[in-house]
Amino acid sequence: ETAVFQTPNYHVTQVGNEVSFNCKQTLGHDTMYWYKQDSKKLLKIMFSYNNKQLIVNETVPRRFSPQSSDKAHLNLRIKSVEPEDSAVYLCASSLDRKDTQYFGPGTRLLVL
Amino acid sequence: GQQVQQSPTSLVLQEGENAELQCNFSTSLNSMQWFYQRPGGSLISVFYNPSGTKQSGRLTSTTVIKERRSSLHISSSQITDSGTYLCALTNSAGNKLTFGIGTRVLVRP
Repeated sequence: ETAVFQTPNYHVTQVGNEVSFNCKQTLGHDTMYWYKQDSKKLLKIMFSYNNKQLIVNETVPRRFSPQSSDKAHLNLRIKSVEPEDSAVYLCASSLDRKDTQYFGPGTRLLVL
Repeated sequence: GQQVQQSPTSLVLQEGENAELQCNFSTSLNSMQWFYQRPGGSLISVFYNPSGTKQSGRLTSTTVIKERRSSLHISSSQITDSGTYLCALTNSAGNKLTFGIGTRVLVRP
């Protein structure tokens, strides 16, 4: 049963464009995350929010910016995409920071 | 260096065989989590195992914090077990997961 929703599923764009990915969780969790899964399938955390507050901000290019309107939503905006941004972006949520994380299906980005 | 190392990187099994996947970590942890990912599919949490042994059906996870390792045992493998198994450790602050590269499992009939 899907409880972490991501849109779009797939997005193709050109270098320099801006993209925005959406994530919504219906689990009532307080913490949400964005991960990047590269071509080698390695997952790395990018951002983490707890009750709309940024708590983890790994070293990512400044063109990436998370946006949280409420604790059920965490969007990711990428200004001026680069070819190396091609990856699968996974959103996750957990009840609290130390709890099990539940993942969405991911958004696959291809930058031409 | 990589904080979470998984072995083997890939594994081919005949249906019915058992397998053990290893995860070693080089830093202190708050907890260990195992995930399963089918090709093109989303991550599914299999175990949240800070220490000790947990079992769910044919899967068993054992985490030994002192030895900085966790294992995932698959017994009587089935074709539907094929996919990638990832371990991830939660840092001491409990606010992020660091993933291993995963073990790709293929179960053949």
